Amino acid sequence: DVKVTQSSRYLVKRTGEKVFLECVQDMDHENMFWYRQDPGLGLRLIYFSYDVKMKEKGDIPEGYSVSREKKERFSLILESASTNQTSMYLCASSFAGLDEQYFGPGTRLTVT
Amino acid sequence: RKEVEQDPGPFNVPEGATVAFNCTYSNSASQSFFWYRQDCRKEPKLLMSVYSSGNEDGRFTAQLNRASQYISLLIRDSKLSDSATYLCVVSVDSSYKLIFGSGTRLLVRP
Repeated sequence: DVKVTQSSRYLVKRTGEKVFLECVQDMDHENMFWYRQDPGLGLRLIYFSYDVKMKEKGDIPEGYSVSREKKERFSLILESASTNQTSMYLCASSFAGLDEQYFGPGTRLTVT
Repeated sequence: RKEVEQDPGPFNVPEGATVAFNCTYSNSASQSFFWYRQDCRKEPKLLMSVYSSGNEDGRFTAQLNRASQYISLLIRDSKLSDSATYLCVVSVDSSYKLIFGSGTRLLVRP
């Protein structure tokens, strides 16, 4: 079974804090993705990576950065958290191209 | 206009009913289409891919209409366990990017 794990299920941070969200997959997948999900807006792609040390901006990259130093790990970084970054963050991975994406359980981040 | 549009519902149907959802997409260059299912407070999971010729998986049938740029999902003999949000997903040309609709919520009542 493919397993995608995320470091926290719930996180509360203060405005201005630096926040790290970690994602690990155990299936040797090439591609990894970070989304945020908000009511009425669906899932929106923040960043994705198709190889180690490679990254591409998604639709809403502003205020975020990512790191992929190892194939199995993809980190999302909020350099200075703001209240409008309060959301559900979902990590996903896929083998290649447009293969099925497998999602982690999500991290609900609240920025106060 | 959103790239992928779905009726948010909820669709409230009795067990055993047949229910259909439609989804429209705006990018005529889209090549790949999927339905994902998301249970309450859970992550999305692939339900089925949608092929040009249409495809069926048990009680679920998906169809694609390229001319009108919509895809559909038909669920026959609804079960209580079908209650979930169904996400329409469309590729962006041949890139790795998928565009997710905001979902259609289905409630199946006893």
